[in-house]
Amino acid sequence: SQQGEEDPQALSIQEGENATMNCSYKTSINNLQWYRQNSGRGLVHLILIRSNEREKHSGRLRVTLDTSKKSSSLLITASRAADTASYFCATAIQGAQKLVFGQGTRLTINP
Amino acid sequence: EAGVAQSPRYKIIEKRQSVAFWCNPISGHATLYWYQQILGQGPKLLIQFQNNGVVDDSQLPKDRFSAERLKGVDSTLKIQPAKLEDSAVYLCASSANYQEHTQYFGPGTRLTVL
Repeated sequence: SQQGEEDPQALSIQEGENATMNCSYKTSINNLQWYRQNSGRGLVHLILIRSNEREKHSGRLRVTLDTSKKSSSLLITASRAADTASYFCATAIQGAQKLVFGQGTRLTINP
Repeated sequence: EAGVAQSPRYKIIEKRQSVAFWCNPISGHATLYWYQQILGQGPKLLIQFQNNGVVDDSQLPKDRFSAERLKGVDSTLKIQPAKLEDSAVYLCASSANYQEHTQYFGPGTRLTVL
C-alpha cells in the first residue's frame, strides 16, 4: 500500500469554485509537500509544510497538516482553468532520506 | 537560473533493446533523483544520488537498470535490455536541500517499448 494516498482520485469543478484535495499517510514524517503536474510535463513544487506546522498559505493555496490523523489537505481557492492538472502529495519520511509520492488527484476546472 | 534538463524527450524502442537517458541538474544542486512514472500513477523513486554517491537505489531493478553520476553533476540512466513494462516517463529531479528534499523536476523522457 502507498505511503501517501490522495482523495479523491479525480475532481471536476467550475471555474471560480474552491478545490480541496486530501492526502493520508502511514508513517511519521519530517515534512509533507504538494506538487502539480500539467499534462506531459514535469512536476512543480507548490508548498511544503513541516511536521510541527498546522497550516500554511501561498497565494491561493492553503495547506493543512494533522499529524495525529496522518493527513493533509490542499485547498485551491477561486480556481482557474490554468489550475487543471494532477496534484501529488509527497512525504519526507522520518529516518528515510527521500520523498514518497502518492498516486495523485486529477483536477479539472471547467470554464 | 536554468532548470533541470533532460534528453531525449521521447524515445521508442523494441523490447530487448537498450536505451539511455541524460539529466543535467540545476547548478549547485548536490542531490539528484531519477523517478519512473507509469501513466496514471505517482512518481516512483529509482535512485537518489548525493553528489556522486548513491543514497538510495532500493527500487532500482538492478538486473536491467543502471545509473551513474559522474563528477557529481550530470547523470545517465540506462536500461538494458528493455521490457514492455518499462514504458513510462522517466523524470529527473534535483535538490539543494538534502534535509527537506524540495525538488525541481525536468520535463521527463517518455519511453515507449514495443
